[in-house]
Amino acid sequence: AQSVAQPEDQVNVAEGNPLTVKCTYSVSGNPYLFWYVQYPNRGLQFLLKYITGDNLVKGSYGFEAEFNKSQTSFHLKKPSALVSDSALYFCAVRGSTLGRLYFGRGTQLTVWP
Amino acid sequence: DGGITQSPKYLFRKEGQNVTLSCEQNLNHDAMYWYRQDPGQGLRLIYYSQIVNDFQKGDIAEGYSVSREKKESFPLTVTSAQKNPTAFYLCASSIVPQGNTGELFFGEGSRLTVL
Repeated sequence: AQSVAQPEDQVNVAEGNPLTVKCTYSVSGNPYLFWYVQYPNRGLQFLLKYITGDNLVKGSYGFEAEFNKSQTSFHLKKPSALVSDSALYFCAVRGSTLGRLYFGRGTQLTVWP
Repeated sequence: DGGITQSPKYLFRKEGQNVTLSCEQNLNHDAMYWYRQDPGQGLRLIYYSQIVNDFQKGDIAEGYSVSREKKESFPLTVTSAQKNPTAFYLCASSIVPQGNTGELFFGEGSRLTVL
C-alpha cells in the first residue's frame, strides 16, 4: 500500500533562514512524489514533483526537494524563507492503481519576520 | 484561462438536507476527483472518475454520490446519510494516468457547514 508521512504538524522558521519540511514515503515500485502548497481557504497548488533522474528537484517559488531512496524521504527545502511562504504544505505519492494520489496530513509552515 | 471552477465557495445546510457541489473543468482532462479536507487529517478521497459515465468509490464514499455525464463536469452530492458533512471539499482533475505522471490540478474548494 502507498502512503506518505509528514512527521511535523508545524514548522516555524525565521525569515531569511533555510527551511525544511519533512516527508517520508512507502510505495511498491518506483515512487512518483509530489509537493503541494495550500493557502487559507484555497485549493492546492502544485510545487514540484520527482519522477526519475536527479535526486534534487527544483520547483516553483524557489522551493526544491531532495529525493533519498535509501531513507525513503522527499524533504522540501528552501535556502531562504519568506513570510509569504507561510502556508500548509502537503506531500503526496502516486498510487499504482489508476494514478490516484495519497496525501500526507500536511505541515503548517510559519515564517516569522 | 483553463482551470477548475467549484461552486459555491461557501454553503450552509440544515441537517437532513441534501446538497450538491459543482465542479467544472475546461482543461480537457479525462480524470476527476473529489477530496474532503478536515483539519489535521489531510485530504481523503471520496470519489473519482477516469472517463465519462464511469466512477469509483474512494476511501470515504459513504453518504456521498456523484455523476459524470459530461467530461467537463463532476458534481458531488452530500446526502443526509453523511454523518459529519461539515468540511472543505476539493475537486481536482488530471490527464488519464497512462502516460502521465499523476499531477493533479485543484479547484478553489467549497466549504460546507451544516447548521
